[in-house]
Amino acid sequence: AQKVTQAQTEISVVEKEDVTLDCVYETRDTTYYLFWYKQPPSGELVFLIRRNSFDEQNEISGRYSWNFQKSTSSFNFTITASQVVDSAVYFCALSGDRYGQNFVFGPGTRLSVLP
Amino acid sequence: DSGVTQTPKHLITATGQRVTLRCSPRSGDLSVYWYQQSLDQGLQFLIQYYNGEERAKGNILERFSAQQFPDLHSELNLSSLELGDSALYFCASSVDGRSSYEQYFGPGTRLTVT
Repeated sequence: AQKVTQAQTEISVVEKEDVTLDCVYETRDTTYYLFWYKQPPSGELVFLIRRNSFDEQNEISGRYSWNFQKSTSSFNFTITASQVVDSAVYFCALSGDRYGQNFVFGPGTRLSVLP
Repeated sequence: DSGVTQTPKHLITATGQRVTLRCSPRSGDLSVYWYQQSLDQGLQFLIQYYNGEERAKGNILERFSAQQFPDLHSELNLSSLELGDSALYFCASSVDGRSSYEQYFGPGTRLTVT
Protein backbone atom coordinates (compact mmCIF):
# COMPACT_ATOMS: atom_id res chain seq x y z
CA ALA A 1 0.00 0.00 0.00
CA GLN A 2 1.13 3.53 -0.63
CA LYS A 3 1.56 5.97 2.19
CA VAL A 4 2.75 9.52 2.66
CA THR A 5 3.94 10.85 5.99
CA GLN A 6 4.36 14.51 6.83
CA ALA A 7 5.57 14.39 10.38
CA GLN A 8 5.47 18.14 10.93
CA THR A 9 1.91 19.06 11.74
CA GLU A 10 2.56 22.76 12.19
CA ILE A 11 5.58 24.98 11.68
CA SER A 12 5.96 28.64 12.56
CA VAL A 13 8.77 30.78 11.26
CA VAL A 14 9.52 34.46 11.12
CA GLU A 15 9.55 36.15 7.75
CA LYS A 16 12.81 35.74 5.78
CA GLU A 17 13.71 32.51 7.54
CA ASP A 18 14.27 29.40 5.46
CA VAL A 19 11.98 26.48 6.20
CA THR A 20 11.94 22.84 5.10
CA LEU A 21 8.82 20.72 4.98
CA ASP A 22 9.44 17.01 5.21
CA CYS A 23 7.73 14.33 3.19
CA VAL A 24 8.45 10.60 3.51
CA TYR A 25 6.68 8.09 1.32
CA GLU A 26 6.18 4.36 1.05
CA THR A 27 5.48 2.50 -2.16
CA ARG A 28 6.28 -0.82 -3.79
CA ASP A 29 6.06 0.63 -7.28
CA THR A 30 9.26 1.12 -9.21
CA THR A 31 7.68 3.90 -11.19
CA TYR A 32 5.92 6.50 -9.11
CA TYR A 33 5.27 10.19 -8.97
CA LEU A 34 5.48 12.71 -6.18
CA PHE A 35 3.66 15.99 -5.89
CA TRP A 36 3.41 19.01 -3.67
CA TYR A 37 0.30 21.10 -3.32
CA LYS A 38 -0.32 24.33 -1.44
CA GLN A 39 -3.61 25.16 0.25
CA PRO A 40 -3.67 28.84 1.27
CA PRO A 41 -6.24 30.17 3.73
CA SER A 42 -8.62 30.83 0.83
CA GLY A 43 -8.98 27.06 0.53
CA GLU A 44 -8.11 26.13 -3.02
CA LEU A 45 -5.42 23.53 -3.70
CA VAL A 46 -2.61 24.80 -5.88
CA PHE A 47 -0.31 22.44 -7.75
CA LEU A 48 3.37 23.18 -7.13
CA ILE A 49 5.46 20.37 -8.57
CA ARG A 50 5.43 16.85 -10.02
CA ARG A 51 8.43 14.59 -9.92
CA ASN A 52 8.91 11.07 -11.28
CA SER A 53 10.89 8.36 -9.56
CA PHE A 54 13.57 8.28 -12.24
CA ASP A 55 14.53 11.89 -11.87
CA GLU A 56 16.42 12.55 -8.67
CA GLN A 57 17.69 15.95 -9.66
CA ASN A 58 16.80 18.67 -7.25
CA GLU A 59 14.52 21.35 -8.57
CA ILE A 60 14.49 25.04 -7.87
CA SER A 61 11.75 27.47 -8.74
CA GLY A 62 12.35 30.93 -7.38
CA ARG A 63 12.33 30.69 -3.60
CA TYR A 64 11.07 27.11 -3.72
CA SER A 65 13.28 24.06 -3.97
CA TRP A 66 12.68 20.36 -3.74
CA ASN A 67 15.06 17.62 -2.65
CA PHE A 68 14.16 14.12 -3.83
CA GLN A 69 16.16 11.32 -2.23
CA LYS A 70 15.17 7.82 -3.24
CA SER A 71 17.54 6.27 -0.74
CA THR A 72 15.56 7.72 2.15
CA SER A 73 12.18 7.80 0.37
CA SER A 74 11.92 11.50 0.96
CA PHE A 75 10.78 14.44 -1.10
CA ASN A 76 11.38 17.53 0.99
CA PHE A 77 10.33 21.05 0.16
CA THR A 78 12.31 24.13 1.15
CA ILE A 79 11.13 27.71 1.06
CA THR A 80 13.97 30.20 1.13
CA ALA A 81 13.45 33.65 2.63
CA SER A 82 9.89 32.87 3.60
CA GLN A 83 7.16 35.46 3.21
CA VAL A 84 3.82 35.93 4.91
CA VAL A 85 2.10 34.87 1.67
CA ASP A 86 3.72 31.45 2.05
CA SER A 87 1.43 30.77 5.02
CA ALA A 88 -0.63 27.77 3.99
CA VAL A 89 -1.09 24.07 4.44
CA TYR A 90 1.26 22.11 2.23
CA PHE A 91 0.43 18.61 1.08
CA CYS A 92 2.76 16.01 -0.32
CA ALA A 93 1.16 13.34 -2.53
CA LEU A 94 2.19 10.09 -4.17
CA SER A 95 0.85 8.08 -7.07
CA GLY A 96 1.76 5.23 -9.37
CA ASP A 97 1.35 5.30 -13.11
CA ARG A 98 -1.72 3.24 -13.67
CA TYR A 99 -5.28 3.91 -14.60
CA GLY A 100 -7.50 3.60 -11.62
CA GLN A 101 -4.78 4.28 -9.13
CA ASN A 102 -5.33 7.07 -6.68
CA PHE A 103 -3.36 9.93 -5.44
CA VAL A 104 -2.44 9.38 -1.82
CA PHE A 105 -2.09 12.61 0.09
CA GLY A 106 -0.12 13.17 3.25
CA PRO A 107 -1.85 14.81 6.21
CA GLY A 108 -0.37 18.19 5.40
CA THR A 109 1.91 20.62 7.22
CA ARG A 110 0.50 23.96 8.29
CA LEU A 111 3.11 26.67 7.80
CA SER A 112 2.68 30.01 9.48
CA VAL A 113 5.04 32.77 8.47
CA LEU A 114 4.98 35.59 10.98
CA PRO A 115 5.86 39.17 10.03
CA ASP B 1 -7.26 30.20 -11.37
CA SER B 2 -6.92 26.48 -12.14
CA GLY B 3 -9.59 26.43 -14.83
CA VAL B 4 -11.70 23.95 -12.87
CA THR B 5 -15.07 25.32 -11.79
CA GLN B 6 -17.30 24.06 -9.04
CA THR B 7 -20.79 25.10 -8.04
CA PRO B 8 -22.15 25.95 -5.63
CA LYS B 9 -19.44 27.46 -3.48
CA HIS B 10 -21.40 26.96 -0.27
CA LEU B 11 -24.30 24.70 0.57
CA ILE B 12 -26.22 24.47 3.81
CA THR B 13 -28.77 21.74 4.16
CA ALA B 14 -30.45 19.57 6.76
CA THR B 15 -29.85 15.97 7.73
CA GLY B 16 -31.62 13.47 5.53
CA GLN B 17 -31.56 15.73 2.48
CA ARG B 18 -29.93 15.18 -0.90
CA VAL B 19 -27.62 17.60 -2.71
CA THR B 20 -25.80 17.71 -6.03
CA LEU B 21 -22.37 19.24 -6.48
CA ARG B 22 -21.25 20.18 -9.95
CA CYS B 23 -17.80 20.34 -11.51
CA SER B 24 -16.50 21.45 -14.89
CA PRO B 25 -12.97 20.31 -15.69
CA ARG B 26 -10.25 22.34 -17.37
CA SER B 27 -10.62 22.58 -21.10
CA GLY B 28 -9.05 19.49 -22.66
CA ASP B 29 -8.97 17.44 -19.46
CA LEU B 30 -10.73 14.11 -19.70
CA SER B 31 -10.44 12.93 -16.13
CA VAL B 32 -12.36 14.19 -13.11
CA TYR B 33 -11.67 13.31 -9.50
CA TRP B 34 -13.73 14.00 -6.40
CA TYR B 35 -12.25 14.47 -2.95
CA GLN B 36 -13.63 15.13 0.49
CA GLN B 37 -11.64 17.21 2.93
CA SER B 38 -12.58 17.21 6.57
CA LEU B 39 -10.63 18.18 9.67
CA ASP B 40 -10.38 14.67 11.04
CA GLN B 41 -9.97 12.71 7.79
CA GLY B 42 -7.80 14.99 5.72
CA LEU B 43 -8.04 14.75 1.94
CA GLN B 44 -9.89 11.60 0.98
CA PHE B 45 -10.21 10.42 -2.59
CA LEU B 46 -13.79 9.53 -3.43
CA ILE B 47 -14.07 8.62 -7.09
CA GLN B 48 -12.54 9.16 -10.53
CA TYR B 49 -14.11 9.37 -13.96
CA TYR B 50 -12.31 9.28 -17.26
CA ASN B 51 -14.11 10.29 -20.43
CA GLY B 52 -17.48 9.37 -19.00
CA GLU B 53 -16.53 6.10 -17.36
CA GLU B 54 -15.84 5.35 -13.74
CA ARG B 55 -12.13 4.54 -13.36
CA ALA B 56 -11.43 4.28 -9.66
CA LYS B 57 -13.29 4.28 -6.39
CA GLY B 58 -11.94 5.37 -3.08
CA ASN B 59 -13.61 5.89 0.25
CA ILE B 60 -16.96 6.77 -1.21
CA LEU B 61 -20.04 5.94 0.83
CA GLU B 62 -22.93 4.06 -0.73
CA ARG B 63 -25.10 7.13 -0.10
CA PHE B 64 -22.86 9.04 -2.51
CA SER B 65 -22.77 8.65 -6.26
CA ALA B 66 -21.27 10.48 -9.17
CA GLN B 67 -21.28 10.60 -12.92
CA GLN B 68 -19.48 12.29 -15.76
CA PHE B 69 -21.54 13.54 -18.65
CA PRO B 70 -20.71 13.59 -22.39
CA ASP B 71 -19.61 17.23 -22.14
CA LEU B 72 -17.19 16.00 -19.41
CA HIS B 73 -18.71 17.91 -16.54
CA SER B 74 -19.32 15.82 -13.46
CA GLU B 75 -21.83 15.76 -10.65
CA LEU B 76 -21.46 14.32 -7.17
CA ASN B 77 -24.73 13.36 -5.52
CA LEU B 78 -24.88 13.08 -1.75
CA SER B 79 -28.04 11.64 -0.24
CA SER B 80 -29.45 10.88 3.21
CA LEU B 81 -27.05 13.47 4.51
CA GLU B 82 -25.62 13.17 8.00
CA LEU B 83 -23.86 15.72 10.17
CA GLY B 84 -20.59 13.95 9.50
CA ASP B 85 -20.87 14.67 5.78
CA SER B 86 -20.12 18.33 6.46
CA ALA B 87 -16.86 18.95 4.65
CA LEU B 88 -15.15 20.67 1.77
CA TYR B 89 -15.67 18.75 -1.46
CA PHE B 90 -13.10 19.25 -4.18
CA CYS B 91 -13.21 18.35 -7.78
CA ALA B 92 -9.95 18.00 -9.71
CA SER B 93 -9.21 17.33 -13.33
CA SER B 94 -6.26 16.01 -15.26
CA VAL B 95 -5.50 15.52 -18.90
CA ASP B 96 -5.25 11.75 -18.67
CA GLY B 97 -6.78 8.98 -16.63
CA ARG B 98 -3.48 7.83 -15.20
CA SER B 99 -2.64 9.05 -11.75
CA SER B 100 0.83 10.10 -12.83
CA TYR B 101 -0.51 13.37 -14.17
CA GLU B 102 -0.90 16.36 -11.90
CA GLN B 103 -4.42 17.22 -10.93
CA TYR B 104 -5.80 20.72 -11.00
CA PHE B 105 -8.28 21.47 -8.27
CA GLY B 106 -11.42 23.55 -8.28
CA PRO B 107 -12.20 26.02 -5.49
CA GLY B 108 -14.31 23.46 -3.63
CA THR B 109 -17.87 23.32 -2.35
CA ARG B 110 -18.28 23.75 1.37
CA LEU B 111 -21.15 21.59 2.54
CA THR B 112 -22.69 22.19 5.94
CA VAL B 113 -25.25 19.71 7.18
CA THR B 114 -27.32 20.95 10.13
